[in-house]
Amino acid sequence: EDQVTQSPEALRLQEGESSSLNCSYTVSGLRGLFWYRQDPGKGPEFLFTLYSAGEEKEKERLKATLTKKESFLHITAPKPEDSATYLCAVQRGGGADGLTFGKGTHLIIQP
Amino acid sequence: DSGVTQTPKHLITATGQRVTLRCSPRSGDLSVYWYQQSLDQGLQFLIQYYNGEERAKGNILERFSAQQFPDLHSELNLSSLELGDSALYFCASSPGGDAEAFFGQGTRLTVV
Repeated sequence: EDQVTQSPEALRLQEGESSSLNCSYTVSGLRGLFWYRQDPGKGPEFLFTLYSAGEEKEKERLKATLTKKESFLHITAPKPEDSATYLCAVQRGGGADGLTFGKGTHLIIQP
Repeated sequence: DSGVTQTPKHLITATGQRVTLRCSPRSGDLSVYWYQQSLDQGLQFLIQYYNGEERAKGNILERFSAQQFPDLHSELNLSSLELGDSALYFCASSPGGDAEAFFGQGTRLTVV
């Protein structure tokens, strides 16, 4: 059974204080690892897809990395508008399955 | 705006009733996914359709069913509703089964 564990469950940072969110996964034949951002009461918003160990992707203050067992979402000099729940998900090979999501990290950036 | 449209946004119904949730995917997307999000379980994959055919099943209850129509919109039918079915139901779409999916804004279902 595919499993995704995210840590920490919640994180409170000061504006400008960089940090990393962790996503550990177990999946049979990883097709892709996905990061989404979710604001309260809204649908998840796609951020990144990573396909192989060593791959990195960046978008504004966010950078996602991937190893064979985990992924990190690095947040550099965050702003209050980066406050959200960040979700990690995996898709197994074949592409015919839905995503298995972690429970997310609730990030709060204080001004 | 992801381009995925879900209706209704909110739904309140009684136990034992049946409801239908509707999803219009992004233009050109052939795959539609349904997910359930509750506070304790997080986001759970229910079912996937690709170009009108069921392609994958997740943790979908037998009381729930879905279909995708020729115009590619999809409906999720929930019957014999129980209090525990109260949740956010999301639809997502992608061009194919192996591409990133874009989510709608969800339907909040409350069973009373």
